[in-house]
Amino acid sequence: QVQLVESGGGVVQPGGSLRLSCAASGFTFSTYAMNWVRQAPGKGLEWVAFIQYDGTNKYADSVKGRFTISRDNSKNTLFLQMNSLRAEDTAVYYCAKGYGSGSYAFDIWGQGTMVTVSS
Amino acid sequence: QSALTQPASVSGSPGQSITISCTGTSSDVGSYKLVSWYQQQPGRAPKLMIYEVSKRPSGVSNRFSGSKSGNTASLTISGLQAEDEADYYCCSYAGSYSWVFGGGTKVTVL
Repeated sequence: QVQLVESGGGVVQPGGSLRLSCAASGFTFSTYAMNWVRQAPGKGLEWVAFIQYDGTNKYADSVKGRFTISRDNSKNTLFLQMNSLRAEDTAVYYCAKGYGSGSYAFDIWGQGTMVTVSS
Repeated sequence: QSALTQPASVSGSPGQSITISCTGTSSDVGSYKLVSWYQQQPGRAPKLMIYEVSKRPSGVSNRFSGSKSGNTASLTISGLQAEDEADYYCCSYAGSYSWVFGGGTKVTVL
């Protein structure tokens, strides 16, 4: 079935780095836009980054210059490289598949992976 | 981008209808017919309920409906059921491949 599975979360010190992965299955990954969305503990959802099927990407201002989204269509995998991590980056990170004409909604979500930035 | 504005909580009795508002600006909600709504149960990933303002994905109950007027979008849940108790988030496309979410609304079924 259609599925997204995130991995790579953990505890990291401020200023550190972490790379998240999102393995896709059940759909033609290479033809869909993908996103990362995060949710701080007890808070709402925040869109983080977008990548089109061709690699075109965009970031939220809060992570621009620190995070890099990428994809490997041959391995059906989405990535988020997170550098210079801050306490405010602590959150559950979800990958989400684009949906609808133009992929402006998110129809399939992973279970999330927790990132904790703490000394 | 500032978060879209949603009421913190909305409640209703079983069988009633409730409406959740989502107010943005002329740069997001007001500019695009690209508002989506998500339901999130505790400890679970969000679930798409409405996309492109008023369209329902396959499998979503027709008790859920969406609309938009100016800079404000709305989600209406009719025939409220206990299983509808959850957090609901609106989301709008904001141009140049960027999105903005609302702060979320906790729906309580009395």
